[in-house]
Amino acid sequence: EVQLLQSGGGLAQPGGSLRLSCAASGFIFSNYDMNWVRQAPGKGLEWVSNIGGRGSSAYYADPVKGRFTISRDNSKNTVHLQMNRLSAEDTAVYYCASANRGENWGPGTLVTVSS
Amino acid sequence: DIQMTQSPSSLSASIGDTVTITCRASQGIKNYLVWFQQKPGKAPKSLIYAASILESGVPSKFSGSGSGTDFTLTISSLQPEDFATYYCQQYSIYPLSFGGGTKLEIK
Repeated sequence: EVQLLQSGGGLAQPGGSLRLSCAASGFIFSNYDMNWVRQAPGKGLEWVSNIGGRGSSAYYADPVKGRFTISRDNSKNTVHLQMNRLSAEDTAVYYCASANRGENWGPGTLVTVSS
Repeated sequence: DIQMTQSPSSLSASIGDTVTITCRASQGIKNYLVWFQQKPGKAPKSLIYAASILESGVPSKFSGSGSGTDFTLTISSLQPEDFATYYCQQYSIYPLSFGGGTKLEIK
């Protein structure tokens, strides 16, 4: 059974940092791109970042470029999202998802940026 | 960047009805389109990928069609569990992008 278990998130101050993690099981992790998608309260889905299966390629949405960094550790079947210089506009539920077509999703973790 | 335009943004229907949601891409994406269902407080669930291929375990009441720029999701014989928000997403070109969503409500 495929599982994506998310950790991290919580409350951060404007300008602060948080690190999200997503631990995968039930599939050959290194064969899959991984993505982060977020959803602001009451809003639609917004793609945030992608990392290739080997970790050699990464893509970012414009609003997070230069502030967020995606990484993965294939030895631990884990993908991370380091979020720096957070602002209120980053407040959202963050989901990790496997493959660019969103084959499987984590349960989501809430990130709140507020003073 | 590719913009995905979904319509309608909301839809009211009755149990047993058949509904169609459309999604238009601002440029051609071949068949690199997925449809998601999302219920309140839950992660999205993939229903259809490659525009028309049903995910394993998804009932055949859901069907997708289209290629290039115009796509549709059809849901037949609506049941209470089908009332949710539906999103399309293109995975042809980065940045990946979602439609704005269609909220399907019970009439």
